[in-house]
Amino acid sequence: DAGVIQSPRHEVTEMGQEVTLRCKPISGHNSLFWYRQTMMRGLELLIYFNNNVPIDDSGMPEDRFSAKMPNASFSTLKIQPSEPRDSAVYFCASSRQNNSPLHFGNGTRLTVT
Amino acid sequence: RKEVEQDPGPFNVPEGATVAFNCTYSNSASQSFFWYRQDCRKEPKLLMSVYSSGNEDGRFTAQLNRASQYISLLIRDSKLSDSATYLCVALGTGGFKTIFGAGTRLFVKA
Repeated sequence: DAGVIQSPRHEVTEMGQEVTLRCKPISGHNSLFWYRQTMMRGLELLIYFNNNVPIDDSGMPEDRFSAKMPNASFSTLKIQPSEPRDSAVYFCASSRQNNSPLHFGNGTRLTVT
Repeated sequence: RKEVEQDPGPFNVPEGATVAFNCTYSNSASQSFFWYRQDCRKEPKLLMSVYSSGNEDGRFTAQLNRASQYISLLIRDSKLSDSATYLCVALGTGGFKTIFGAGTRLFVKA
């Protein structure tokens, strides 16, 4: 079984540029989560979807961040414009149903200079 | 107060030692709990679920104390390969909002 697939693995960009992170959840999983991890703040939940619908985006830091899930097999997290403080590892995870454990992708390591 | 709190450690233990981690959660309505393991520069991976009656998987034992709102992980006969960060997880109301603790770092030394 293919796991959660994220792309790109690494992204280096300049401040002010738009960044788009991509995620393909495990087939059959109906919940999708975006997390950000830094040394200082640990693993922060940004947003999660259930059946492609955003349920809770209270973790999204500010309006520069947006996430979409146009279908059950694809989601994007966009940062526009990016800032150096957005540098982090961004993880996507999916789960089969509520109360189920999450399965994580390999993450995207974002560096904004 | 953070929703899920853990002692960040680090815990430095010799091979063969027994080590225990605790984790507290603030949402009394949380229904599901898990322990994850994260290696350096890798994604978190599920170690084990935590059941109300407590559960064991080889050298690992997880316990849940609902009255005091904490979960624990016990590792017996520590191996060098157990060195990692251990993250506890509580699911919020509705079973979707998955909140991670900051993690406890474990170093097992020869």
